[in-house]
Amino acid sequence: QKEVEQDPGPLSVPEGAIVSLNCTYSNSAFQYFMWYRQYSRKGPELLMYTYSSGNKEDGRFTAQVDKSSKYISLFIRDSQPSDSATYLCAMKATDSWGKFQFGAGTQVVVTP
Amino acid sequence: GAVVSQHPSWVICKSGTSVKIECRSLDFQATTMFWYRQFPKQSLMLMATSNEGSKATYEQGVEKDKFLINHASLTLSTLTVTSAHPEDSSFYICSANGGADTQYFGPGTRLTVL
Repeated sequence: QKEVEQDPGPLSVPEGAIVSLNCTYSNSAFQYFMWYRQYSRKGPELLMYTYSSGNKEDGRFTAQVDKSSKYISLFIRDSQPSDSATYLCAMKATDSWGKFQFGAGTQVVVTP
Repeated sequence: GAVVSQHPSWVICKSGTSVKIECRSLDFQATTMFWYRQFPKQSLMLMATSNEGSKATYEQGVEKDKFLINHASLTLSTLTVTSAHPEDSSFYICSANGGADTQYFGPGTRLTVL
């Protein structure tokens, strides 16, 4: 079993809809949780960073962490065609010397 | 802020030659950099962790003699693919540790070995 599970999609939504992405994990030592956006043939871009549990909002993006359920989510409101990309979750334990565990990435397609 | 560059962005080489890829943190110092490999429609595969001034730590299954990593300064790490073969063709991405336990990624280097 992988430490981080993420549905690869593709997830297709109409423009303006809410995109809902999630990852589950098995390692209770994870404390740092990130979401990255990756366009085709580009490097990942950091979208959201959360430490421990809770919610974080930045513009149209909301990240949620539920450590009791080992479940993290990313919501994108008012989705735009430019949001079409692969979204990767990543997480790290405090003592893991910076090594991240990545999900497989979910491909999102926002149709006009 | 937190910009990481990679050079070259793409490279085509003949089988048997060596290729060097540079990773630079432009506006911050990075004591730790990471090198990843990514195949089409797949996630990132960590190859090695590079610490400034010390030897890189390679992940299981990654040949350290084939993928030479040097982290010469707090802003530069290099990956050299030695004696490249077609199976080494891939998208190579570096990242640098920013503050607050996160990583900032470079734009990637696409390597094609003929």
